[in-house]
Amino acid sequence: QQQVKQSPQSLIVQKGGIPIINCAYENTAFDYFPWYQQFPGKGPALLIAIRPDVSEKKEGRFTISFNKSAKQFSLHIMDSQPGDSATYFCAASMRSGGSNYKLTFGKGTLLTVNP
Amino acid sequence: NAGVMQNPRHLVRRRGQEARLRCSPMKGHSHVYWYRQLPEEGLKFMVYLQKENIIDESGMPKERFSAEFPKEGPSILRIQQVVRGDSAAYFCASSPREYADTQYFGPGTRLTVL
Repeated sequence: QQQVKQSPQSLIVQKGGIPIINCAYENTAFDYFPWYQQFPGKGPALLIAIRPDVSEKKEGRFTISFNKSAKQFSLHIMDSQPGDSATYFCAASMRSGGSNYKLTFGKGTLLTVNP
Repeated sequence: NAGVMQNPRHLVRRRGQEARLRCSPMKGHSHVYWYRQLPEEGLKFMVYLQKENIIDESGMPKERFSAEFPKEGPSILRIQQVVRGDSAAYFCASSPREYADTQYFGPGTRLTVL
């Protein structure tokens, strides 16, 4: 059972465009939703994260939108640059409860930003 | 402050051999997690360890896989009698506390089973 579903699988945009990556979750006990950025041959690096008590969080050019009732959250990258080309993973975990250390990941989105 | 270190970065094994993957957590971190990334898949939790203790191994295959985090030295993920399906990237993360929001990932070990 895939608890976090991510789409699209791949995405190509032009420089300056605003790619949007979507994730949906099933477990209503999740209360922490991070996004990770992974470059080829590297480990995932935390990009930005949100908790369900807010509907939006912005850090630099990266914004998370969160819809608790729909159990969905998305990543928007403003003014995208070729250097943003990477694989992006959404994830979820429970900060309270017995498995507060366990991250559940989506399958990833390969983003290509053309110059 | 060095990040999480994993070695080797690439490991090639023939079917039936043993694979040993090592993870040195960030300085001051006593919590270690192992995740596996199969081709075109997201990372999947395998095991969570603290020094000398396995806290949660619910994501580990029941056979051939084991993990340890001794009092001294790195954490070790051991795969005995490897099969082609074990080919994957194995990532280690560490944290100073028992929460997902403090995990830092290493660069991974890419295991190829011939």
